[in-house]
Amino acid sequence: QQPVQSPQAVILREGEDAVINCSSSKALYSVHWYRQKHGEAPVFLMILLKGGEQKGHDKISASFNEKKQQSSLYLTASQLSYSGTYFCGTGDRGSTLGRLYFGRGTQLTVWP
Amino acid sequence: DGGITQSPKYLFRKEGQNVTLSCEQNLNHDAMYWYRQDPGQGLRLIYYSQIVNDFQKGDIAEGYSVSREKKESFPLTVTSAQKNPTAFYLCASSMSWGNQPQHFGDGTRLSIL
Repeated sequence: QQPVQSPQAVILREGEDAVINCSSSKALYSVHWYRQKHGEAPVFLMILLKGGEQKGHDKISASFNEKKQQSSLYLTASQLSYSGTYFCGTGDRGSTLGRLYFGRGTQLTVWP
Repeated sequence: DGGITQSPKYLFRKEGQNVTLSCEQNLNHDAMYWYRQDPGQGLRLIYYSQIVNDFQKGDIAEGYSVSREKKESFPLTVTSAQKNPTAFYLCASSMSWGNQPQHFGDGTRLSIL
């Protein structure tokens, strides 16, 4: 039930855009996005619930397509501070409602 | 400031030894979680607790044990039955069970001597 993230790694120049995808083989109820810098705790970015809504803050936004069982994270005009590993966590509607399954992560590196 | 405190930051275990990782939160959260992180594996759920005095096994509970006697505390014991304990362990909490943002501690890195 672990979601699949793509790509595994992204290298950008400051100011460039990136998209990180997260897809699941199971029907989804929610998708969470977290960012983890090396040796630090993951930090919550946003949560999306079923309905295809798009959320965001600053220049980071995300969409959730319940039909396709996938979510995408959009990083616009990337900054050096965006570097880190991004994880999606998915929640389904089954007996495990409430717990998350995390993907393996996408490593994002932003160069000046 | 409210948050989650994990201790120690680094821990070394000898063969055949049990060790306990501490996790304390002052966020007044009901739900707490333990994850194991290995390079390239993402976060794998070991145990979770929806409310005090209750806990459930996650995906990789073998060789681990927990207790939840107080709302703010959720210690994890890595027993000698866990044959490959070297990993980064993360504790998290959320306000309640079910689709709530999870807040993470800074982690404990466990190594075998």
